[in-house]
Amino acid sequence: DIVMTQSPGSLPVTPGEPASISCRSTQSLLHSNGHTYLDWYLQKPGQSPQLLIYLGSHRASGVPDRFSGSGSGTDFTLKISRVEAEDVGLYYCMQTLQAPHTFGPGTKVDIK
Amino acid sequence: EVQLVESGGGLVQPGGSLRLSCAASGFTFSSHWMHWVRQVPGKRLVWVSRINSDATERDYADSVKGRFTISRDNSQNTLYLHMFSLRAEDTGLYYCARHSMGALDFWGQGTVVTVSS
Repeated sequence: DIVMTQSPGSLPVTPGEPASISCRSTQSLLHSNGHTYLDWYLQKPGQSPQLLIYLGSHRASGVPDRFSGSGSGTDFTLKISRVEAEDVGLYYCMQTLQAPHTFGPGTKVDIK
Repeated sequence: EVQLVESGGGLVQPGGSLRLSCAASGFTFSSHWMHWVRQVPGKRLVWVSRINSDATERDYADSVKGRFTISRDNSQNTLYLHMFSLRAEDTGLYYCARHSMGALDFWGQGTVVTVSS
């Protein structure tokens, strides 16, 4: 199975400042079709997870452009260019390259 | 508007069974793979199972293989998870989610399963 790791586990942020979360996989998430099967999700307090980024770098519908995903192979990054108060919550990466799909352990983002 | 509404959770003794349902609306259910994901106490997300659009392919996490069965009824726009031989470690909030563009793009609100004597 592909194991996903994330860092940091907790990230206190200042509104208006940038933030970055790292995700790593134990094997490449690049498919032979050229797509990279790595997604990012945000779970706001009291809500279900919501999709932020799919296929490594594509913003989901309605996601603000302050969120961006990058990376390739086994190393990925989610960046928030200027954190807003509504961005607090748990951030997860997930691989959908192969079953069983697997999630990272999560990064808790809160306001300093 | 896409909606996924889970039901069927509850308190069950170890070794017991439950059937979870997920009623889908607002999209062409029969065109999408569907997934079940569990959120355990402590908030970790655990992928459980997936099924393709016509139910000819199913996959499971190793921890539930042989005990859980995923199914769907495209005529009723409903996804199911049949859970047998339940264990304490199956406890959690179970979400159904729609698969699109290589990701889980819509999630329901979840239904709680508690396995305890």
